[in-house]
Amino acid sequence: GAVVSQHPSWVICKSGTSVKIECRSLDFQATTMFWYRQFPKQSLMLMATSNEGSKATYEQGVEKDKFLINHASLTLSTLTVTSAHPEDSSFYICSASGQGAWRSQPQHFGDGTRLSIL
Amino acid sequence: AQTVTQSQPEMSVQEAETVTLSCTYDTSESDYYLFWYKQPPSRQMILVIRQEAYKQQNATENRFSVNFQKAAKSFSLKISDSQLGDAAMYFCAYRSGNQGGSEKLVFGKGTKLTVNP
Repeated sequence: GAVVSQHPSWVICKSGTSVKIECRSLDFQATTMFWYRQFPKQSLMLMATSNEGSKATYEQGVEKDKFLINHASLTLSTLTVTSAHPEDSSFYICSASGQGAWRSQPQHFGDGTRLSIL
Repeated sequence: AQTVTQSQPEMSVQEAETVTLSCTYDTSESDYYLFWYKQPPSRQMILVIRQEAYKQQNATENRFSVNFQKAAKSFSLKISDSQLGDAAMYFCAYRSGNQGGSEKLVFGKGTKLTVNP
């Protein structure tokens, strides 16, 4: 089955630093990738949708200057949390969907990244 | 806009028994997909089962089956012979199937399932 690798799985850093999270599709070409944020005991909240080679589409209320998304290739998307503060601490999950025959398949999720800002 | 509602924040079941998790959705689209995802404490998102709206037959995957009622916009998940490993958060999700439509998933708020030994 399709595999999506997300790295790192856990990161702790100081307030004010920037953190980059990578999402890779390992065995298929991901034309579209999605970034979610999940607070404890809550559902997944879609932050943005990124298509390879174009700018990400952010959901209402998500600061695009705070959460920079890059989808430069068909196998890699990155989320950079800029000048992170404690309120940015959360669980971030990516997912990917493919092109062609893959489009009818469900999204494939990474294992998530636990971000803790001190 | 599409919405997904899970009316049961928590459910519990005895091991080996059967439990049904509820999900309703609202959409004006005729072509769409519905999913149940499981999220154990590890927080991995695991696809449990998938249903295409154009298929009348209810999807089944081993001990997991759905009751898809398109007219009622209902999509419940039945877990038979519950096992301790089934304990998790379960999310119902909707995705448009229209050509050129959004691929994003719309999630319900989730149901926390506890399995008692």
